[in-house]
Amino acid sequence: QKEVEQNSGPLSVPEGAIASLNCTYSDRGSQSFFWYRQYSGKSPELIMFIYSNGDKEDGRFTAQLNKASQYVSLLIRDSQPSDSATYLCAVQNTGGFKTIFGAGTRLFVKA
Amino acid sequence: DAGITQSPRYKITETGRQVTLMCHQTWSHSYMFWYRQDLGHGLRLIYYSAAADITDKGEVPDGYVVSRSKTENFPLTLESATRSQTSVYFCASSGPAANTGELFFGEGSRLTVL
Repeated sequence: QKEVEQNSGPLSVPEGAIASLNCTYSDRGSQSFFWYRQYSGKSPELIMFIYSNGDKEDGRFTAQLNKASQYVSLLIRDSQPSDSATYLCAVQNTGGFKTIFGAGTRLFVKA
Repeated sequence: DAGITQSPRYKITETGRQVTLMCHQTWSHSYMFWYRQDLGHGLRLIYYSAAADITDKGEVPDGYVVSRSKTENFPLTLESATRSQTSVYFCASSGPAANTGELFFGEGSRLTVL
């Protein structure tokens, strides 16, 4: 079992819709959780991080964490074609810096 | 503000040859990482380092060697390249100043092993 699991997609949503991306992890002691966005041919870039159970909002993005279910999600409201990218879920271990990524979910936003 | 740089950006080599990918960061970040990215696998951790002279294996370390004699450099060596090591390699760094655990990535090195 991979330590971090994501649905590879592709996930296709119309412009203006909500895109929902999901991630599960196996290490119950994991402390920090991240969502990175990666455009084709580019490096990953951080868009959200979350440490505590619940929701964290930043503009059109909301990260949700449920440690009991070992589940992290990312909601993108009012999706735009420019949001079309691969979204990588990442989890840091209890030591604090070893970071494991999921396989990524490809998102397409149709204009 | 050079940040984190990788070289070479593109490399073609033959099976059995030794290849070294270089990574240099100017932030004095303590932590550095090497990942490989292949279709369907996302980013897989090869090796990571907490400080100079401290390195540890990640998810897929076989066939790779790293060193960290200086904080700013973290080279990755393929001692005898195989076709299965054809991939895009990303170096990343992170440090207390980031305060979030965020990883900062280089632009990647695309390696083809023939």
